[in-house]
Amino acid sequence: DAGVIQSPRHEVTEMGQEVTLRCKPISGHNSLFWYRQTMMRGLELLIYFNNNVPIDDSGMPEDRFSAKMPNASFSTLKIQPSEPRDSAVYFCASSLEWNQPQHFGDGTRLSIL
Amino acid sequence: AQTVTQSQPEMSVQEAETVTLSCTYDTSESDYYLFWYKQPPSRQMILVIRQEAYKQQNATENRFSVNFQKAAKSFSLKISDSQLGDAAMYFCAYRSAGGGSNYKLTFGKGTLLTVNP
Repeated sequence: DAGVIQSPRHEVTEMGQEVTLRCKPISGHNSLFWYRQTMMRGLELLIYFNNNVPIDDSGMPEDRFSAKMPNASFSTLKIQPSEPRDSAVYFCASSLEWNQPQHFGDGTRLSIL
Repeated sequence: AQTVTQSQPEMSVQEAETVTLSCTYDTSESDYYLFWYKQPPSRQMILVIRQEAYKQQNATENRFSVNFQKAAKSFSLKISDSQLGDAAMYFCAYRSAGGGSNYKLTFGKGTLLTVNP
């Protein structure tokens, strides 16, 4: 079975540019999570979707960040404009239900120059 | 708010030996879940083992087992017969079983495990 698929695996761009990270959850999973991992803050939940609806976006750092889930098989996390402090590894995870174990993708390493 | 503490930033073990990684957590809840995730250099986060707080029996998955001490709020991971492929960052995580934010995983800072041949 395919796991959570994220793209791109690596992204390097200059500050001020728009960045879009993509995620395909495991088929049949109705919960999707975006996390950010940094050395300083560890793993932090950015946003949680249930049945394509954003339930908790309290972890989104500021208005430059936005996330969408137009259907059950696709989600995006967008940063516009990007800043060097956004450099991190961004993970997408999905679970069968909200109370089931979360399965993570391989992450996107984002570097903003 | 719940917190998860991993007091060992780094650990090392000889191949084929046993190592124990520590995790403590702070919560006022009685029902919750605890997890250990493994993050190898490939960066993928892999679920290793999970424990339901209402179960007294310690979870086991092949060479991986936990020592869950609810009263002490301790959840350590034991890796037996360590293999080179076990080298990774290990994260302990907590999730509430009830209430508003029971989908949310709270992670510790991680323990970097090195396996020496």
